[in-house]
Amino acid sequence: AQRVTQPEKLLSVFKGAPVELKCNYSYSGSPELFWYVQYSRQRLQLLLRHISRESIKGFTADLNKGETSFHLKKPFAQEEDSAMYYCALSGNTGFQKLVFGTGTRLLVSP
Amino acid sequence: DGGITQSPKYLFRKEGQNVTLSCEQNLNHDAMYWYRQDPGQGLRLIYYSHIVNDFQKGDIAEGYSVSREKKESFPLTVTSAQKNPTAFYLCASTTPRGPLGANVLTFGAGSRLTVL
Repeated sequence: AQRVTQPEKLLSVFKGAPVELKCNYSYSGSPELFWYVQYSRQRLQLLLRHISRESIKGFTADLNKGETSFHLKKPFAQEEDSAMYYCALSGNTGFQKLVFGTGTRLLVSP
Repeated sequence: DGGITQSPKYLFRKEGQNVTLSCEQNLNHDAMYWYRQDPGQGLRLIYYSHIVNDFQKGDIAEGYSVSREKKESFPLTVTSAQKNPTAFYLCASTTPRGPLGANVLTFGAGSRLTVL
């Protein structure tokens, strides 16, 4: 069964501190992993996906198949990073259902 | 301005009434999805459609119905059989022909349904 686990409901850090939002998954096969973000009063939108291997807004995420994890990291948090973050997975061929985790609210204080 | 339009933004319903949420997209996307967003539960898939005149149940389809008569439109009806309908509903779409591939979703702004 497909499952995404985000163990933290809330992560509160100070500006300039490192951030790591945890995501673990279970999937029988080769998944495609994503991070979506929802800023206040904005639509849910893609932040990054593992196959792109890119840094978006200073965030990176590495797929660790051994640990079945896809943690989101940023070395120095900014106040504008405060948002709701969702980890999601799907299969990697054609149209697939996208399964979301329960989300982590990141609060960056000045 | 291309995108997904959901309406109404806010909706109130009395118990026992059916209500239909609209989702329209002008992105020429093939696939459309309905999710329900509840605090602490993330997004849960209600129904999805990958092609016109075809749709599939998601993880929490009970008490909901959909139709896909046109590529652009995927309305969701919340029926009186849905036990706990008060929630935020999100519509999304995607296409395999876009630069990001088949499973990167574009979301609407959402509809908040409150049952009185």
